[in-house]
Amino acid sequence: IAGITQAPTSQILAAGRRMTLRCTQDMRHNAMYWYRQDLGLGLRLIHYSNTAGTTGKGEVPDGYSVSRANTDDFPLTLASAVPSQTSVYFCASAREGSTDTQYFGPGTRLTVL
Amino acid sequence: GQNIDQPTEMTATEGAIVQINCTYQTSGFNGLFWYQQHAGEAPTFLSYNVLDGLEEKGRFSSFLSRSKGYSYLLLKELQMKDSASYLCAVRDSNYQLIWGAGTKLIIKP
Repeated sequence: IAGITQAPTSQILAAGRRMTLRCTQDMRHNAMYWYRQDLGLGLRLIHYSNTAGTTGKGEVPDGYSVSRANTDDFPLTLASAVPSQTSVYFCASAREGSTDTQYFGPGTRLTVL
Repeated sequence: GQNIDQPTEMTATEGAIVQINCTYQTSGFNGLFWYQQHAGEAPTFLSYNVLDGLEEKGRFSSFLSRSKGYSYLLLKELQMKDSASYLCAVRDSNYQLIWGAGTKLIIKP
């Protein structure tokens, strides 16, 4: 692994289903982030984690949950998917939470029908 | 509210120079970032400005005026591979990144 990986690359999901998007980084970065990107809008922060064991809510957290059991992994869970959660999801990491540049994973394209 | 404004789309010719503007209104300021994003790919870091002035990095330069809430990204000697979206983001007083919607740059031969 080099950098940040995300899985799956893309997914089509029926509304009401539960889905976990995976994100793993091997840079030993303390901070990790989940964003969604929708056409015509800027990246919007869903949840973040400044260090293992802690998480926080971003701008659009409703319908999503995260956990940070260790430094490397930061999964994002949709408990019961809805069509408005159709989006491209990017995971990012930074060496330190508040002051460092963020580096992005390749993204997951999610379609909820 | 917090707001980042960028033009939606710009067109330029291969070999030319283009300037992409970004204006911002945020609660506090702790730096401004420019990212490049090719279609279907992840954003990649281009530049960071926290003090007024011009930062040059090869063909790309970024300028900041904090008093005017304004930045621009200058791309010189344009190449076809520069066709991408360019995202402006400002770190606010809570050290959260506020993102613009991005400027799609189309390069024509």
